[in-house]
Amino acid sequence: GNSVTQMEGPVTLSEEAFLTINCTYTATGYPSLFWYVQYPGEGLQLLLKATKADDKGSNKGFEATYRKETTSFHLEKGSVQVSDSAVYFCALSDSSYKLIFGSGTRLLVRP
Amino acid sequence: EAGVAQSPRYKIIEKRQSVAFWCNPISGHATLYWYQQILGQGPKLLIQFQNNGVVDDSQLPKDRFSAERLKGVDSTLKIQPAKLEDSAVYLCASSLGVGVSYEQYFGPGTRLTVT
Repeated sequence: GNSVTQMEGPVTLSEEAFLTINCTYTATGYPSLFWYVQYPGEGLQLLLKATKADDKGSNKGFEATYRKETTSFHLEKGSVQVSDSAVYFCALSDSSYKLIFGSGTRLLVRP
Repeated sequence: EAGVAQSPRYKIIEKRQSVAFWCNPISGHATLYWYQQILGQGPKLLIQFQNNGVVDDSQLPKDRFSAERLKGVDSTLKIQPAKLEDSAVYLCASSLGVGVSYEQYFGPGTRLTVT
């Protein structure tokens, strides 16, 4: 069945460091791909999405490119801030538009 | 605009007891979802409503879990009787419709501990 695999955390970085969180997926057909973020004490929020191969989603300095050939959707940011500390979830939406989430990656950014 | 509201935020019960969670979606959102998020895992869809009808409940353990959405607005999720493995955060989400162009908005969740 469809599934999403994320790198395990926690990922600990210093402020202004470059961030990459790996995400790969297994799916039939052509899923849409998402990154959600969960800040401490808050609900999940959509960060960015891509609906077809080679699309790049971007928001708040984060970006991810839908790579069909490698079945990946890695999240990147050029310079992280302390306020980016959160849990990041990669997800796919299958043909029934059901969201299937990865297990999440905790990011901790130190000043 | 008010977000998705859930209550209670925390609940501790003993196994074999029953518990109910409440969700109030964003006004005008026709689609409502309940997810279960076990510690260290991503959210898993339990049930999806479109207005007050069930669209998908394939992953709902129907022997102990039930959910309803009366009048196509608020929803309740019930567990009876609870088991230790039901300890999780229960998330409610809503969207205007179904499809990738319709963003799901999540509530803060209810953390259930079963002892």
